[in-house]
Amino acid sequence: AQKVTQAQTEISVVEKEDVTLDCVYETRDTTYYLFWYKQPPSGELVFLIRRNSFDEQNEISGRYSWNFQKSTSSFNFTITASQVVDSAVYFCALSEGRTDKLIFGTGTRLQVFP
Amino acid sequence: ETGVTQTPRHLVMGMTNKKSLKCEQHLGHNAMYWYKQSAKKPLELMFVYNFKEQTENNSVPSRFSPECPNSSHLFLHLHTLQPEDSALYLCASSPGVGDQPQHFGDGTRLSIL
Repeated sequence: AQKVTQAQTEISVVEKEDVTLDCVYETRDTTYYLFWYKQPPSGELVFLIRRNSFDEQNEISGRYSWNFQKSTSSFNFTITASQVVDSAVYFCALSEGRTDKLIFGTGTRLQVFP
Repeated sequence: ETGVTQTPRHLVMGMTNKKSLKCEQHLGHNAMYWYKQSAKKPLELMFVYNFKEQTENNSVPSRFSPECPNSSHLFLHLHTLQPEDSALYLCASSPGVGDQPQHFGDGTRLSIL
């Protein structure tokens, strides 16, 4: 069965701190895709990144970086030098193969204080 | 501007009312989705349409009735809802099925009295 676990319900940091959001997934498929989305207070889910199961290279985009480790079934997200605008709920999601279904975790609420 | 527009942004209705949620995407995508987001629960996929054909109904009660007249528009017709149906309803679209990222609208916040 597919499952995505985001154990951190809420994280609070002060601006300029680094913060890592954890994501652990379960799947029986060998082909799958992992996603991170950001949901600011406005409600819209903003797509951040997609990785496929065959590409374990870590990725960096500005202050954002992602660490994909198949050995631990984890796809963690790090924000370096956090800013107040990073405050949002962040969701990790999984889809298997060629399906329409995105399985979401329960989200991590990040609050960045000035 | 997300490319996926949902109206209304907020809706309050009684349990006996009939209303509809509208979603429009301007991205040229072929697949559209309805999700329900309740407090402290993961987003739940409700319906999937691919090229106007419904490909997924995730055991959604019949008081929710989707309609997809074309690839750019998706409706969710509501009838005789229950208080537990109060939630944020999110629409999404993607170029096609599978690995391609879904683009979400701002959602409709629905409150059932």
